[in-house]
Parts: sequence; structure tokens; C-alpha cells
Amino acid sequence: KNEVEQSPQNLTAQEGEFITINCSYSVGISALHWLQQHPGGGIVSLFMLSSGKKKHGRLIATINIQEKHSSLHITASHPRDSAVYICAVEGTSGSRLTFGEGTQLTVNP
Amino acid sequence: DTAVSQTPKYLVTQMGNDKSIKCEQNLGHDTMYWYKQDSKKFLKIMFSYNNKELIINETVPNRFSPKSPDKAHLNLHINSLELGDSAVYFCASSQVGRQPQHFGDGTRLSIL
Repeated sequence: KNEVEQSPQNLTAQEGEFITINCSYSVGISALHWLQQHPGGGIVSLFMLSSGKKKHGRLIATINIQEKHSSLHITASHPRDSAVYICAVEGTSGSRLTFGEGTQLTVNP
Repeated sequence: DTAVSQTPKYLVTQMGNDKSIKCEQNLGHDTMYWYKQDSKKFLKIMFSYNNKELIINETVPNRFSPKSPDKAHLNLHINSLELGDSAVYFCASSQVGRQPQHFGDGTRLSIL
């Protein structure tokens, strides 16, 4: 069993829908990262958080440290949001990242 | 200006060959990483250097040897390439201590 589990693995939505991607982890962490990988392959860091909630445009990330769970929300989804979203946790002893398997999001027009 | 640049973007070679992938960052970061992304798109840490010093060395065959000539560069040399080495290799960098990581565009390595 992976230390970082994401759900769902695949998600198809219609443009405008509210999207939620979940991430659960089983180890102690110092921070949790949400990354986006576009079809072209490049990886972009969306959020890094260790408590509470962060918002950037239409994207919102939350984390519950006690429950070892994080969610990534996308409001008013758009076809350009189609990508793989990856959750990664940073351990307590350094900057090593352990990754989830990613969620493939497809937003149809 | 590209923050983290890797070369080459594509690398096609035969089994048994030796190849290198170069990575440079112009962000002034102290820490650099190499990750491997397999055919199922799963990312895994291989190595991490902080100020030219190796700090993470996962269970990677010793055919893989990272080299950091200075803190802005972390190159990956692979000896005696095998079919299972086919993957996308990502370089990344960050400041020390709970900072976002910046990724290169990846190098797609294909072994024939």
C-alpha cells in the first residue's frame, strides 16, 4: 500500500463543474504539495501547505493534519484544467517527496 | 528565462550504452533532485543534493551516478543502460526546508 493514496484515479467532468480530488497519507509530514502535470509532460507546483487552506484563482487546497487528508478543489472547471494532478508529501526529516499515483482529470466543453 | 532546464529533452539509445542528462537551475536554490517517472506516470525520488552534497540516495542501481559540480547543476550519468531504464527523468530544485519545488520539463529516455 502506498504511503500516499489519491482518489479518484480518473475523473471526467463537464465544463463549469466543481471538482474535488482527494489525497490521504499514512506518515508524518512537514508539508503536502499539489502538483499539476499537463499533457505536454511539464510539472508545475500548485500549492504547498502544512495546515488550513490556500486559494489561488479557481483552485483551493485544504489539509486536515489530524485526519491525514487533503483535498484539491477546482471551481468552474474549464477544459484547460485537463491534466494529471499529483499529491506529494514531504517527510519530517527533510525535503524528500513521496508521491501519490495522480488523478487524471478531463474536462469536456 | 527557463528556471530549471534539462537537456536533452529526448534521448533514444541502445541497451548497454552510457548516457548523461544535464540539469541547471538559475533560481539560486540550494537543493536539487532527480526523479524518475515510470510508464504508469508514478514519480519516485532518486537523488537529492544540497549545496553539492548528496543527502538522499534512494535504492537506485549503482549504474546511476549523480554529479553536482556546483549548486546550480546536477547531472545524471547512467552506465550500461537497460530496457527498464526507459522512463521520463525530471530534475527539480528548491530552497531548503518546506519550499515548493520547481521542475524541469523532463527527459524522455527510450532504450531500444
